[in-house]
Amino acid sequence: AQSVTQPDIHITVSEGASLELRCNYSYGATPYLFWYVQSPGQGLQLLLKYFSGDTLVQGIKGFEAEFKRSQSSFNLRKPSVHWSDAAEYFCAVGGNSGYSTLTFGKGTMLLVSP
Amino acid sequence: DAGVIQSPRHEVTEMGQEVTLRCKPISGHDYLFWYRQTMMRGLELLIYFNNNVPIDDSGMPEDRFSAKMPNASFSTLKIQPSEPRDSAVYFCASRSLGPHYGYTFGSGTRLTVV
Repeated sequence: AQSVTQPDIHITVSEGASLELRCNYSYGATPYLFWYVQSPGQGLQLLLKYFSGDTLVQGIKGFEAEFKRSQSSFNLRKPSVHWSDAAEYFCAVGGNSGYSTLTFGKGTMLLVSP
Repeated sequence: DAGVIQSPRHEVTEMGQEVTLRCKPISGHDYLFWYRQTMMRGLELLIYFNNNVPIDDSGMPEDRFSAKMPNASFSTLKIQPSEPRDSAVYFCASRSLGPHYGYTFGSGTRLTVV
């Protein structure tokens, strides 16, 4: 069975500081990996995705993530956090077949302090 | 494209009433997914369709839940009778395969059963 673990429920970062959100996955084949962001009362917005190729992927809003197969990880990073980045972040794993589905982690709530 | 459209955005109903949630996927997407988000369980897959046919409904919590997709541009999720523990945010997502593989989520329906 596929699964995603986001070990940090909450993270507080000072504005302007760097950010890393952790994600570990379990998947029996080649994983497709995603990061979504959800602001309060809003839907899920795709930040970035990894399918294959370069293990460092760039996304929107200055985010990037690195796929490390040996560690089954797909951590999200941003060099300088802005107050508007405060939101909940979800990592998700799926597959490349038509009948694969997306499994989400429990999310990490990012708080940005002034 | 207007994206995945869900209605209503908010629904408040009394226990025992029937609730119908609606979703219009992105045109050309062959797969449609219904997810439920709660604080306790996070984002859970309820059911998904391929070309309007239900493929996997193992995530549907009880017989009180049913979903249909009568055509490629419309799906419903019905709860009858509703219970307070059904209170959650329900998301619809559609997916394309091929070079633009990805999931697009609607804004969700926040259901409150009192």
